[in-house]
Amino acid sequence: DTGVSQNPRHKITKRGQNVTFRCDPISEHNRLYWYRQTLGQGPEFLTYFQNEAQLEKSRLLSDRFSAERPKGSFSTLEIQRTEQGDSAMYLCASSLSVANTEAFFGQGTRLTVV
Amino acid sequence: QQQVKQSPQSLIVQKGGIPIINCAYENTAFDYFPWYQQFPGKGPALLIAIRPDVSEKKEGRFTISFNKSAKQFSLHIMDSQPGDSATYFCAANRAGANNLFFGTGTRLTVIP
Repeated sequence: DTGVSQNPRHKITKRGQNVTFRCDPISEHNRLYWYRQTLGQGPEFLTYFQNEAQLEKSRLLSDRFSAERPKGSFSTLEIQRTEQGDSAMYLCASSLSVANTEAFFGQGTRLTVV
Repeated sequence: QQQVKQSPQSLIVQKGGIPIINCAYENTAFDYFPWYQQFPGKGPALLIAIRPDVSEKKEGRFTISFNKSAKQFSLHIMDSQPGDSATYFCAANRAGANNLFFGTGTRLTVIP
């Protein structure tokens, strides 16, 4: 499978716990994005990597959120001290380094904080 | 503040009908307008995209109409099929930007 892969697909956690999600982009794509999608809404941008460098972060990305892409390949998104408001689908996308090129999305990780 | 406003929220058409989904934006710096299709449990997938230098783009049964002066664009699905039942999102971004601004989505149901 050469698409964007995200793990796990579903995560249920208790409020206050830390969670980590993984994204494996399409191998030749050097751009990687994280988005969050809540029920009935479109995806909202969280952060963007060019290779291993995190170049942009949305105001939605609070201090409890951290993302890494250590070798410019896979990426992780960690949420510390989860809150019920963090419940959402977390989507990863990747693309080539060409302006306005297609971003390919993974199937997402659905997080439920109870 | 919603950068891209999308309507309607939901749409039901008969097979063969032509559903139309509309989007509007304010930021005149936007220069790339894609439409994404999302099935339940899946991530969004690019359907078709347009730049403001053309007023219409057609790919198969999907057509984007673009009105630069009105800052509006719309998706038309010709000869709709039950397999087109999905949620459709319009989006926009500006040259040099790295993030897409999405609309709130339209849930389309095509009745056989």
